[in-house]
Amino acid sequence: AQSVSQHNHHVILSEAASLELGCNYSYGGTVNLFWYVQYPGQHLQLLLKYFSGDPLVKGIKGFEAEFIKSKFSFNLRKPSVQWSDTAEYFCAVNARGGADGLTFGKGTHLIIQP
Amino acid sequence: GAGVSQSPSNKVTEKGKDVELRCDPISGHTALYWYRQSLGQGLEFLIYFQGNSAPDKSGLPSDRFSAERTGGSVSTLTIQRTQQEDSAVYLCASSSGGDGNQPQHFGDGTRLSIL
Repeated sequence: AQSVSQHNHHVILSEAASLELGCNYSYGGTVNLFWYVQYPGQHLQLLLKYFSGDPLVKGIKGFEAEFIKSKFSFNLRKPSVQWSDTAEYFCAVNARGGADGLTFGKGTHLIIQP
Repeated sequence: GAGVSQSPSNKVTEKGKDVELRCDPISGHTALYWYRQSLGQGLEFLIYFQGNSAPDKSGLPSDRFSAERTGGSVSTLTIQRTQQEDSAVYLCASSSGGDGNQPQHFGDGTRLSIL
């Protein structure tokens, strides 16, 4: 079974600061990796995904993430955050080719102060 | 286009009652997933359908929980004899492939409160 660990439960930043949210997973096989975002009062939305190929993936709204296989990590980054990035961020994983659901981390609550 | 639709958006019921939650996936999506989001447990995977069949029901929390999908489209999650620990937001997601290699699209969820 997979597990996902998000290191920061709450992060507070000022606008224009750089962001990096940590995510580590545990699984013995090949995985697909995802970052989802949940804005206040809205449903979960896909930010970006990694299936294969270039380990640096770019998503919506200027977010990117890098898959480092040796570290079992998939950290989310953004060079300059905006107030509108205030949201809950979830890292998730599933087994490549596996017919099962996503295993989510506990989430990181990001607050951007204007 | 239309996203994943869930109903009701909110449900308040008394302990011991049965509840039925509905999910209408994105048209053409063959895979459908149910999750539960609660403060203590975060996001938990409950069950997955490929077409009308659910290969693995082991994620359901107890035998009071059941789910079905008919016609390869709408799915219902039923909780019998509800308990207070069932209070949570129940999320449904769908994807275009059943091999896990397609992103899942989530609905707004049903917020279930057990009094």
